[in-house]
Amino acid sequence: DVKVTQSSRYLVKRTGEKVFLECVQDMDHENMFWYRQDPGLGLRLIYFSYDVKMKEKGDIPEGYSVSREKKERFSLILESASTNQTSMYLCASSSSFGGDNSPLHFGNGTRLTVT
Amino acid sequence: AQSVAQPEDQVNVAEGNPLTVKCTYSVSGNPYLFWYVQYPNRGLQFLLKYITGDNLVKGSYGFEAEFNKSQTSFHLKKPSALVSDSALYFCAVREAGRRALTFGSGTRLQVQP
Repeated sequence: DVKVTQSSRYLVKRTGEKVFLECVQDMDHENMFWYRQDPGLGLRLIYFSYDVKMKEKGDIPEGYSVSREKKERFSLILESASTNQTSMYLCASSSSFGGDNSPLHFGNGTRLTVT
Repeated sequence: AQSVAQPEDQVNVAEGNPLTVKCTYSVSGNPYLFWYVQYPNRGLQFLLKYITGDNLVKGSYGFEAEFNKSQTSFHLKKPSALVSDSALYFCAVREAGRRALTFGSGTRLQVQP
């Protein structure tokens, strides 16, 4: 069974801090994604990666960056955290085997609060 | 640009009754459509997808969805609701040439005993 693990379930950070959210998948998936989930807005795509060292901007990349140095790990970085980045962050992965319609496998999420 | 709308924030249904969760989409070209479910304190899980072929797609836990091209809709259905179906449901779409999904705002399903 695919396992997508997000390193923290809850995080509290101060405004201006640099924040790292880590995600690891154990199924050798090529594709990895970062979404944020906010009530009434659903899931919005921040960044995704379809190969090591490759990244593409999603719909709301401002204020974020990502790193994918190894196939199994995809990190989301908040360069200078702000209160409007308080949210639930969801990591997902998928295989390229079925093309871009392969199901996404999600982690349990990291709830980030920026004070 | 691809987009998806879920017009209902919440749907209430009695156990044993049929349920429908609505979804409409907008894409350029052919759509690829998905439903995901989020149970309390758990990650999202894939339910079903429409890629091509039969307009009625069957998925996990007895759910099915009907693709209607003329109405640009992809409503999720189940003939008989269970209390355990209570969860947050997300519709998602991908258009050809795009690599990632766009999700809707979600619909909370409450099934009353």
